[in-house]
Amino acid sequence: SYVLTQPPSVAVAPGETARITCGGNRIAYMNVHWYQQKPGQAPRLLIYYDGGRPSGIPGRFSGSNSGNTATVTISRVEVGDEADYYCQVWDSSSHHMVFGPGTKVTVL
Amino acid sequence: EVQLVESGGGVVQPGGSLRLSCAASGFNFGSYAMHWVRQAPGKGLQWLSLISGDGDNIRYADSVKGRFTVSRDNGESSLFLDLNSLTGDDTAFYYCAKVARGDYDYFDQWGQGTQVTVSS
Repeated sequence: SYVLTQPPSVAVAPGETARITCGGNRIAYMNVHWYQQKPGQAPRLLIYYDGGRPSGIPGRFSGSNSGNTATVTISRVEVGDEADYYCQVWDSSSHHMVFGPGTKVTVL
Repeated sequence: EVQLVESGGGVVQPGGSLRLSCAASGFNFGSYAMHWVRQAPGKGLQWLSLISGDGDNIRYADSVKGRFTVSRDNGESSLFLDLNSLTGDDTAFYYCAKVARGDYDYFDQWGQGTQVTVSS
């Protein structure tokens, strides 16, 4: 089945930019969605269809998808952005939903 | 306001069974596919199953196929997951999630989860 890869962790200073990648074979041809999960909380939708932003998600969060990599970018990082971030796709070949392994974002 | 509330978790012995429920409110439940996702302690999200709004389209992850059964009662706005032949690897937080549209779309709403612990 389809495999997604993510870096285990990303560390960034407040005010800087964090980029979280999600790798997959020809992922540009798939719809990629992203979720943010803070400690002790359920995941919440962060980005949908590569770059869409649900209401309530700050404009500092943006997404893109090209080639074999989808990316979520967090601009002007805040302490409150510390969380685990997961990418997700639907694998139409296996009829399975697939999550990436997750990336822990730490704000230094 | 859309709400999803899971229940039914608990401690169960290896080989045992459990039924999880997800009570939905705030939307036309029967019009939306629903999914189950779990998260083992300290681990990432693992997709388990989906059921379409009318119940005709059902899919499972390979790791639970044949052991878990998803169902729904649209009249009661409830989603269920029957867990059988449980092992320690099934210890996790179990979440239900609502799809935004279609059967395979993104999850626009998650429940708070229910904890399942498999232990003797």
